[in-house]
Amino acid sequence: LAKTTQPISMDSYEGQEVNITCSHNNIATNDYITWYQQFPSQGPRFIIQGYKTKVTNEVASLFIPADRKSSTLSLPRVSLSDTAVYYCLVGRTGGGNKLTFGTGTQLKVEL
Amino acid sequence: GAVVSQHPSWVICKSGTSVKIECRSLDFQATTMFWYRQFPKQSLMLMATSNEGSKATYEQGVEKDKFLINHASLTLSTLTVTSAHPEDSSFYICSARGGQKPMNTEAFFGQGTRLTVV
Repeated sequence: LAKTTQPISMDSYEGQEVNITCSHNNIATNDYITWYQQFPSQGPRFIIQGYKTKVTNEVASLFIPADRKSSTLSLPRVSLSDTAVYYCLVGRTGGGNKLTFGTGTQLKVEL
Repeated sequence: GAVVSQHPSWVICKSGTSVKIECRSLDFQATTMFWYRQFPKQSLMLMATSNEGSKATYEQGVEKDKFLINHASLTLSTLTVTSAHPEDSSFYICSARGGQKPMNTEAFFGQGTRLTVV
């Protein structure tokens, strides 16, 4: 399983765009990149998943360069409610393929 | 998204007793379920992976006789913490994935169970 490296913490203010970068130098050909959000005392919640280039949904964008050795989660115009831990996971999807969590990034949004 | 429900949300038990945690996929068939443990201020640690009808595969260092996992149906998996001790106090989270697209591309998580052993 590809190991991921993320910043331990980030601070931002309401209304700003936040970009969290994840390094995964050993990503394999069949691996996808998935980001989850976790609030205290809750299970993780799926944010976005991608394989290459750019993926966008209603809450975030995911940018993946051609070499796929890193990825950036972009949260537009964050609010206080976006304060959470964000995890970048790399691995194969489907079936019994494991989901292994790294340390995650604690995002703190202030007024 | 799909719904995975855990029960109970929290439980307090006496040292030496056993506790069962249920994880249900409410609107899809979960061919694979994962159980995690999370200590305060730490990341999720995978304990085991279970496929419906098969024995669970435990991660290194996780005692299979202490953490009994049963995945008897496509919508239910249970984790039983046997002879619980205070050091087993933690946040336990289950996750489920379907066997076919689109339910097999992402894993859906339950809300977690806070176990406190006194």
